[in-house]
Amino acid sequence: KQEVTQIPAALSVPEGENLVLNCSFTDSAIYNLQWFRQDPGKGLTSLLLIQSSQREQTSGRLNASLDKSSGRSTLYIAASQPGDSATYLCAVDRGSTLGRLYFGRGTQLTVWP
Amino acid sequence: NAGVTQTPKFRVLKTGQSMTLLCAQDMNHEYMYWYRQDPGMGLRLIHYSVGEGTTAKGEVPDGYNVSRLKKQNFLLGLESAAPSQTSVYFCASSHLDRVGSTYEQYFGPGTRLTVT
Repeated sequence: KQEVTQIPAALSVPEGENLVLNCSFTDSAIYNLQWFRQDPGKGLTSLLLIQSSQREQTSGRLNASLDKSSGRSTLYIAASQPGDSATYLCAVDRGSTLGRLYFGRGTQLTVWP
Repeated sequence: NAGVTQTPKFRVLKTGQSMTLLCAQDMNHEYMYWYRQDPGMGLRLIHYSVGEGTTAKGEVPDGYNVSRLKKQNFLLGLESAAPSQTSVYFCASSHLDRVGSTYEQYFGPGTRLTVT
């Protein structure tokens, strides 16, 4: 069974800091990996999707990397802002069931002014 | 283009009552999913569908039934609600892109269900 772990569970930083969120998974045979953002009481918004053949993806101040062999992904947020405060979820797709995602428990990020 | 919508947003049920949660998507996606999110547990897959008229069990299917009579709708039913089904329920949909290799999922806003 695929286990997905996210560290840290919570993170509080001052505005402007660059930060890294970590995701690890036990089965390296993944199809793709997605990073989501969830605001309190809201649904999930997809941030970045990395296919298994890719090493990284970038969108604005966000950069996600993938190292399949070590079972790790990191989400790098540059120049953090209070609006980045949310829970960030990592999910992997093993490909055995079309599109089925295995989620981590998330990292709750607070960026204070 | 509304994306993925869910009805209702909130609901309180008594133990033993039944209800149906409705998910609708207007993106012509083939695949649809129902997840539940519980504190400290992350999201877990309940049921999913890879096309109209087809459904399959996910990780935690017990106590739930689903139907996909129309491509754009995916219904989740609770026949006899139990307090353990208190949760936030999310519907998602995805498509096979032109390259035929990615399944980016789009989520609805969720339904918060409390069973007393």
